[in-house]
Amino acid sequence: KNEVEQSPQNLTAQEGEFITINCSYSVGISALHWLQQHPGGGIVSLFMLSSGKKKHGRLIATINIQEKHSSLHITASHPRDSAVYICAVMEGGSYIPTFGRGTSLIVHP
Amino acid sequence: NAGVMQNPRHLVRRRGQEARLRCSPMKGHSHVYWYRQLPEEGLKFMVYLQKENIIDESGMPKERFSAEFPKEGPSILRIQQVVRGDSAAYFCASSPLGKGDIQYFGAGTRLSVL
Repeated sequence: KNEVEQSPQNLTAQEGEFITINCSYSVGISALHWLQQHPGGGIVSLFMLSSGKKKHGRLIATINIQEKHSSLHITASHPRDSAVYICAVMEGGSYIPTFGRGTSLIVHP
Repeated sequence: NAGVMQNPRHLVRRRGQEARLRCSPMKGHSHVYWYRQLPEEGLKFMVYLQKENIIDESGMPKERFSAEFPKEGPSILRIQQVVRGDSAAYFCASSPLGKGDIQYFGAGTRLSVL
């Protein structure tokens, strides 16, 4: 069973700061998802990646398969980025993701 | 192209009643997944369905819970004789290709059992 650990658990930042959220997993995977969940709201899929790096606007996701580690970066953070960020991993041949507990981010103006 | 639609957004039931949660996948998606998020806990897989078939229900409680995805209409997650412990957010996701494909999530249904 894959163990997915996210750090930090909680993160507070000032508007404009560069944010990094980390995700580590214990068993080799075929893909990793980063999800965003706003308080009381739905879940948005931000990225799915299996190698390298992806960028969308101010969000950047990287993954190191050898080290079993992924990072989500937010550049020039904004209060609207305040949300819980969830890492989910998919093992090869599986359609069932294993989810991390999430990182709660609050960005103050 | 509308996203994954779930309804109702909020559902209140008394103990012993039935809860029906609906999920309409994105257009062109034939793979549907249901997840449960208990208060202060992470998301947990419940069931994976394709049209008219349950592919994997290993995450579903053995009793009171059932799911279907008929040929026509939305996927339904049904909880019979609800108990307080069923109070949670239930999320549906869909994907076009299934295994290994990115999943698109709905806004969730928040079930409160009184």
